[in-house]
Amino acid sequence: DAKTTQPNSMESNEEEPVHLPCNHSTISGTDYIHWYRQLPSQGPEYVIHGLTSNVNNRMASLAIAEDRKSSTLILHRATLRDAAVYYCILLTGGGADGLTFGKGTHLIIQP
Amino acid sequence: DTAVSQTPKYLVTQMGNDKSIKCEQNLGHDTMYWYKQDSKKFLKIMFSYNNKELIINETVPNRFSPKSPDKAHLNLHINSLELGDSAVYFCASSPQVNNEQFFGPGTRLTVL
Repeated sequence: DAKTTQPNSMESNEEEPVHLPCNHSTISGTDYIHWYRQLPSQGPEYVIHGLTSNVNNRMASLAIAEDRKSSTLILHRATLRDAAVYYCILLTGGGADGLTFGKGTHLIIQP
Repeated sequence: DTAVSQTPKYLVTQMGNDKSIKCEQNLGHDTMYWYKQDSKKFLKIMFSYNNKELIINETVPNRFSPKSPDKAHLNLHINSLELGDSAVYFCASSPQVNNEQFFGPGTRLTVL
């Protein structure tokens, strides 16, 4: 089962920043924090991942708390195409047993 | 070019039949996976396959078997299909086990 806790849904306005929280209080020292999203009728899409330091890429930023028990995915300027279910996932150990998806956060973007 | 492709996109079949879903990745990745997404949208890992090592989720019935003819392909065979097997099946690949995974478009299986 997933070891993360996320809000069921969040709503934001287009062109505004979005902060998606994730709690993972039982994270171990070797767990990577991964974020994926799934747009309607599509396969999951990788967004970003990190271990301890904050990370930035062309899609988003990942802010990781100092104690690593929580993280926040930041979409700097949401568009309608960002409406999706966002999953925060801990990749445990070697990761060979795949991703364990929880319920995720359903992000709704209002025009 | 499609990175991870699956065929067929849709599969409708009768209970008791045996069917296969094919997956191919042209990314040169070493690890491939199969996931199942049920009607409630929960995604669960079924198998991962890395350098000929197969890791199976213990909840997967032995009617399901992955077969990898080469590093670029991981096919899913399902014997004696049941109604509960109806779901969307996603294939994925990654360069190494801790890297990001690239998912295929999914195969919607409907068992009648």
